[in-house]
Amino acid sequence: QEKVQQSPESLIVPEGAMVSLNCSFSDSASQSIWWYQQHPGKGPKALISIFSNGNKKEGRLTVYLNRASLHVSLHIKDSQPSDSAVYLCAVSDNNYAQGLTFGLGTRVSVFP
Amino acid sequence: ETAVFQTPNYHVTQVGNEVSFNCKQTLGHDTMYWYKQDSKKLLKIMFSYNNKQLIVNETVPRRFSPQSSDKAHLNLRIKSVEPEDSAVYLCASSPTGGVAEQFFGPGTRLTVL
Repeated sequence: QEKVQQSPESLIVPEGAMVSLNCSFSDSASQSIWWYQQHPGKGPKALISIFSNGNKKEGRLTVYLNRASLHVSLHIKDSQPSDSAVYLCAVSDNNYAQGLTFGLGTRVSVFP
Repeated sequence: ETAVFQTPNYHVTQVGNEVSFNCKQTLGHDTMYWYKQDSKKLLKIMFSYNNKQLIVNETVPRRFSPQSSDKAHLNLRIKSVEPEDSAVYLCASSPTGGVAEQFFGPGTRLTVL
């Protein structure tokens, strides 16, 4: 069964710093890797996804995928206090009906 | 903007009672899901439904059952709650096929005394 591990568990950074999050997964056949953001008392919200090896940039977000090492990272440039949340890495396989397999998340705190 | 609605926001009950949670999505998606988020914040898939057909039923206890009246609604019933059922239950929806984004509701927090 797919396993998803995230690091670090938590991160505290000053406003304007780069936030770097890591995720490793166990199944090389995983189709897509998603990053979700979850604020307290809210449901997760998708931020960005990646399927192919390499990187993908959307606004302040950049994600890097290395299928050979089963590793994906998310980088948030110019972090803001509103970025304070739990960031969840999730992987999906060929069958959308299987749902997503999530990691435990990284808690990010951005202080002004 | 919320497009996946869940009720109630929270529910407190005693061991052995029956509870039911509601979920409605206004996105026109064909597939809906129920996830359980435990005290460690780990999200695990419980069920997925496509066009009123149960597609995946993970190894959840038989006291849990999904109920759907149409593709926009997917409710969750727990027949006789146990203390380990205390968690946040999250509903989600997505278009069918591929690896489309899943949209989550705000969750229902269940506390079993």
